[in-house]
Amino acid sequence: GAGVSQSPSNKVTEKGKDVELRCDPISGHTALYWYRQRLGQGLEFLIYFQGNSAPDKSGLPSDRFSAERTGESVSTLTIQRTQQEDSAVYLCASSRGLAVDTQYFGPGTRLTVL
Amino acid sequence: DQQVKQNSPSLSVQEGRISILNCDYTNSMFDYFLWYKKYPAEGPTFLISISSIKDKNEDGRFTVFLNKSAKHLSLHIVPSQPGDSAVYFCASPIKAAGNKLTFGGGTRVLVKP
Repeated sequence: GAGVSQSPSNKVTEKGKDVELRCDPISGHTALYWYRQRLGQGLEFLIYFQGNSAPDKSGLPSDRFSAERTGESVSTLTIQRTQQEDSAVYLCASSRGLAVDTQYFGPGTRLTVL
Repeated sequence: DQQVKQNSPSLSVQEGRISILNCDYTNSMFDYFLWYKKYPAEGPTFLISISSIKDKNEDGRFTVFLNKSAKHLSLHIVPSQPGDSAVYFCASPIKAAGNKLTFGGGTRVLVKP
């Protein structure tokens, strides 16, 4: 079966522009997570969706970051007025949403803000 | 405050030998741990996990050991193969927060042929 997919794979943008990143989770997975990995650093949690519950936005670094999810499918992460420090690989993961379950990651979107 | 730490940023090992990767955690509420492997330009791939009710879990060449009293876990790869060259992350889910994963900083493993 298909894994988690993300698009675009690479995005180069100018400082101040808005960008939208997309994630398609594994079919049937109710939980969806966004993480990012900045150069030379570990993965940091951004936001989490579980079914119809309110998302956990506790990891979003600023109000320029937002995310939406349509039902239990596609999610988009939007970064407004991008800054150079937003440059990172943005990773999406999904899981079945059970109590403790393995998260499966997509290939990531490499965002470069010039 | 980094709750999961991998103190060795890199490890070099000869093909056929054992690779030992270490991970320490500070949050005593953590009771489930995962290891992920990451190649460049790819997302992390799940490798192996362990629950705190166990002290060892084995899957082929990969074995994870958990020492709860020391808040320490390790991943053993034996025998190491060149294809194992990657960055390895240990992680633990925060159950009270939707199981979002807290990751260590990663250990880059290079297996020399």
